[in-house]
Amino acid sequence: NAGVTQTPKFRILKIGQSMTLQCTQDMNHNYMYWYRQDPGMGLKLIYYSVGAGITDKGEVPNGYNVSRSTTEDFPLRLELAAPSQTSVYFCATRDRIYGYTFGSGTRLTVV
Amino acid sequence: DQQVKQNSPSLSVQEGRISILNCDYTNSMFDYFLWYKKYPAEGPTFLISISSIKDKNEDGRFTVFLNKSAKHLSLHIVPSQPGDSAVYFCLWNRDDKIIFGKGTRLHILP
Repeated sequence: NAGVTQTPKFRILKIGQSMTLQCTQDMNHNYMYWYRQDPGMGLKLIYYSVGAGITDKGEVPNGYNVSRSTTEDFPLRLELAAPSQTSVYFCATRDRIYGYTFGSGTRLTVV
Repeated sequence: DQQVKQNSPSLSVQEGRISILNCDYTNSMFDYFLWYKKYPAEGPTFLISISSIKDKNEDGRFTVFLNKSAKHLSLHIVPSQPGDSAVYFCLWNRDDKIIFGKGTRLHILP
């Protein structure tokens, strides 16, 4: 059981480039989340989804877009990368109250 | 605005002693508080939780205390072990969202 899989694990982008961070889960969880963690900071919610076809903004959505066409996949899109988006990105799912499962993260550097 | 505050960025504790990690919150409406543990280069993993109707929850070496009048949450680890060295996050949960504190880095000293 793979749980939550994030790809890539590492990426370096140039300013203005775009990329998609992939997140796939095999637990059939309805709720999925994207967080970013900056050095010395807690995780901040970017976007979340309560089910296929439904997405909503979190605390820090600017500069990002998401889609949820299937239960399994919740990709995060950066259209015009900026240095402020240098961070570690975590995808997570939730089934019941205790059922939060996190991926291992994607470390993104924008130069 | 819902906020969860972990005011101690780091904590060092001797192996075998008690570790106490603290969390304050500002909003009284919540379903659960959760504690997550995070090792470097890994995603956070669930540790223990407490519902709004309880004031204590215990699981092995880990005990979480909830003081609703003070809006304060604490995690006790007894006895502390080397593998407990990690960053601990306090999470607030209500409806669809979970809000993280900044985390406390716990160092267990030999």
